[in-house]
Amino acid sequence: NAGVTQTPKFQVLKTGQSMTLQCAQDMNHEYMSWYRQDPGMGLRLIHYSVGAGITDQGEVPNGYNVSRSTTEDFPLRLLSAAPSQTSVYFCASSWELNTEAFFGQGTRLTVV
Amino acid sequence: RKEVEQDPGPFNVPEGATVAFNCTYSNSASQSFFWYRQDCRKEPKLLMSVYSSGNEDGRFTAQLNRASQYISLLIRDSKLSDSATYLCSEKVTFGTGTKLQVIP
Repeated sequence: NAGVTQTPKFQVLKTGQSMTLQCAQDMNHEYMSWYRQDPGMGLRLIHYSVGAGITDQGEVPNGYNVSRSTTEDFPLRLLSAAPSQTSVYFCASSWELNTEAFFGQGTRLTVV
Repeated sequence: RKEVEQDPGPFNVPEGATVAFNCTYSNSASQSFFWYRQDCRKEPKLLMSVYSSGNEDGRFTAQLNRASQYISLLIRDSKLSDSATYLCSEKVTFGTGTKLQVIP
């Protein structure tokens, strides 16, 4: 099993550019989520989904969009990149809200 | 107040020492707690779940104190390989992590 796969692993964007971070899981998990991790801030929840077709905002959703058209995929879109979005992004999945999370390897994003 | 809080450390301990981390939470109705380990520039990985009766896995012990609303992680006989950041979570909310450095 591949688990949770994130692409790309590294990305440099210019301010104002848009891009999509991909996340796929092969464990048939219902719950998927996106976090950003910044020094001293820990993991902060951006958006999450409790199943295909259902998404909701987390703690820091501004500047990001998500969709969940299938159980397997949960892409994160940056609409107009800003330097404040420079961070490490992790996608995670779990059977449900109360169970352990499995993380992807992360995407290191730099916005210049 | 943050929902889940941890002392960021770093905790510098000698090999063989016992070290404990606490993690406080604000929601008294919380049911699901976990400890994760995160190595430098890697993703977090589950270390252990925290059960209400406490649980042990080798050198690691996790406990839940509902009265004071905190969970703890105890590491006995620390190894160099235990050096990492330890994150607690209540469902999908994570603490900032506690950095542990085990020194020879």
